[in-house]
Amino acid sequence: DAGITQSPRHKVTETGTPVTLRCHQTENHRYMYWYRQDPGHGLRLIHYSYGVKDTDKGEVSDGYSVSRSKTEDFLLTLESATSSQTSVYFCAIKPGQGDTEAFFGQGTRLTVV
Amino acid sequence: AQSVSQHNHHVILSEAASLELGCNYSYGGTVNLFWYVQYPGQHLQLLLKYFSGDPLVKGIKGFEAEFIKSKFSFNLRKPSVQWSDTAEYFCAVNAWNNNDMRFGAGTRLTVKP
Repeated sequence: DAGITQSPRHKVTETGTPVTLRCHQTENHRYMYWYRQDPGHGLRLIHYSYGVKDTDKGEVSDGYSVSRSKTEDFLLTLESATSSQTSVYFCAIKPGQGDTEAFFGQGTRLTVV
Repeated sequence: AQSVSQHNHHVILSEAASLELGCNYSYGGTVNLFWYVQYPGQHLQLLLKYFSGDPLVKGIKGFEAEFIKSKFSFNLRKPSVQWSDTAEYFCAVNAWNNNDMRFGAGTRLTVKP
């Protein structure tokens, strides 16, 4: 398996609290992604990064922010968690642009109560 | 941005039956196409990919997919499914010159022994 570690793996938090999820890679890949997985919606792209300090929004970025201060770490922050953000979050990494496959982490199950 | 649609939400087959899962994408330019599989409780793993060349690509575990450019389709096939193929299958598209990778909603496959 690709060297991707997501932390925490499970989290329960209260509405209105900030939450940060971490994705750590040991592959030195340039591209990193955050997706959320929900029944009936598949995986939807939240944000992605194409280098240190270089990030861009995906299709469901509202309510989320990201940071990448080092190649190996990509953080996803929910500024004020809402119940609609209850989901499974997956981090993915890619070595290059389009014609390379993505490798996924194990996922983080987040429950907002 | 590109988008992906998967026509079948849930497919139920008996062992040894043939499988075809539909995938269509919308993007006018050159694309790279992928099928990923997610076994229960696990992260996504690459099943096969198409970048260029022969439009019929073979992947792991006896799966194959055919890229039909005129139909914007990349359907997944397997001649004879096994109980162990029970999983969720995701089609994904990445334009060749960008960093944005989009997934379909997924198709849940249940294979009855």
